[in-house]
Amino acid sequence: GNSVTQMEGPVTLSEEAFLTINCTYTATGYPSLFWYVQYPGEGLQLLLKATKADDKGSNKGFEATYRKETTSFHLEKGSVQVSDSAVYFCALSDGFGDDKIIFGKGTRLHILP
Amino acid sequence: GAVVSQHPSWVICKSGTSVKIECRSLDFQATTMFWYRQFPKQSLMLMATSNEGSKATYEQGVEKDKFLINHASLTLSTLTVTSAHPEDSSFYICSARPRLDTQYFGPGTRLTVL
Repeated sequence: GNSVTQMEGPVTLSEEAFLTINCTYTATGYPSLFWYVQYPGEGLQLLLKATKADDKGSNKGFEATYRKETTSFHLEKGSVQVSDSAVYFCALSDGFGDDKIIFGKGTRLHILP
Repeated sequence: GAVVSQHPSWVICKSGTSVKIECRSLDFQATTMFWYRQFPKQSLMLMATSNEGSKATYEQGVEKDKFLINHASLTLSTLTVTSAHPEDSSFYICSARPRLDTQYFGPGTRLTVL
């Protein structure tokens, strides 16, 4: 079945460091790929998405490129801030639109000032 | 932006009692709502999908008689955990989807069954 695997956390970085959170997926067909973020005490928010191969999603300085050849959707940011501290979930949807989202386990990110 | 609320945010109950969790879309109408369950350090697992005015569709392995879902209006869905037991303790998250749009997630409800 479809699945998402992302790197275990927690990840601790200093402010202004470069961030990469790895995500790989297994899916039949052509899924849409997502990164969600959950700030402390809040619900999940869609951070970015890509719907087809080679698409790049970007938002708030974060980027991820849909790589079909490596079945990956790694999240990157060039210079993280303390306010980026949160839990990040990689996810895919194999249905219409983003119906039935399958999530990875989440990666907790701590940014130190 | 679209806001989804859940109530209560946390609840503690005795084993054998029933607990109702509400999910509301505050500023949009949601034709479809989803209920997820999250165990510590685990991913969100979809429990069921509900469409307004019709019966919920449950994922394999989810007991429909234990987790009752009602989607009576375009802004409200409820999840009732019946005869709760300690193994039902978890974090329950709902999401709401306007027609042909992305899912918007609630903040979650932490259930602890003693």
